[in-house]
Amino acid sequence: DAGVIQSPRHEVTEMGQEVTLRCKPISGHNSLFWYRQTMMRGLELLIYFNNNVPIDDSGMPEDRFSAKMPNASFSTLKIQPSEPRDSAVYFCASTNIGGNIQYFGAGTRLSVL
Amino acid sequence: DQQVKQNSPSLSVQEGRISILNCDYTNSMFDYFLWYKKYPAEGPTFLISISSIKDKNEDGRFTVFLNKSAKHLSLHIVPSQPGDSAVYFCAASDFGNEKLTFGTGTRLTIIP
Repeated sequence: DAGVIQSPRHEVTEMGQEVTLRCKPISGHNSLFWYRQTMMRGLELLIYFNNNVPIDDSGMPEDRFSAKMPNASFSTLKIQPSEPRDSAVYFCASTNIGGNIQYFGAGTRLSVL
Repeated sequence: DQQVKQNSPSLSVQEGRISILNCDYTNSMFDYFLWYKKYPAEGPTFLISISSIKDKNEDGRFTVFLNKSAKHLSLHIVPSQPGDSAVYFCAASDFGNEKLTFGTGTRLTIIP
């Protein structure tokens, strides 16, 4: 099993630009999570999907953030426009619905200059 | 409001000694708890878990203890090895709810 795959691994962009992060969950998993890791808040849940449907997006910080899951094997997290305070590591994780153990990708380190 | 708290940002332990990482939670609905380990430039990986019907779960060198009345759990690593140097995250959930709430992490450094 390839695990959860995230791309890109690193993204450097300028303030105001659109950023799109991508995630492929583990095959067969039907829950997908997007997290942001910061020093101050640790791992924050941004949004999660069950069967491609957004269930809880209360962690999405602002309208600049949006996430989609068009099918069971692909999800995107978009930031438009990006700001320097969005700089962080973004993780995607997947599991089965009702499963407690989430499996994480290697993350995308985003730097907004 | 941080529902899962790891009050020690860092911890240094001599190789071979016991490492104890602590975690407190405030939400009494939490009934399943996990520890994740994270190396630099990698995603967190599951380490060990415990449900609220138990007060201890052991897996090799790793033991998690749960004190429900104090809303406190701890991870014991014994003996500590250099490869245990990582950031450890505590997480909690309601049973049957796949959503996890994570703490801020504790960076463990094992000194050779």
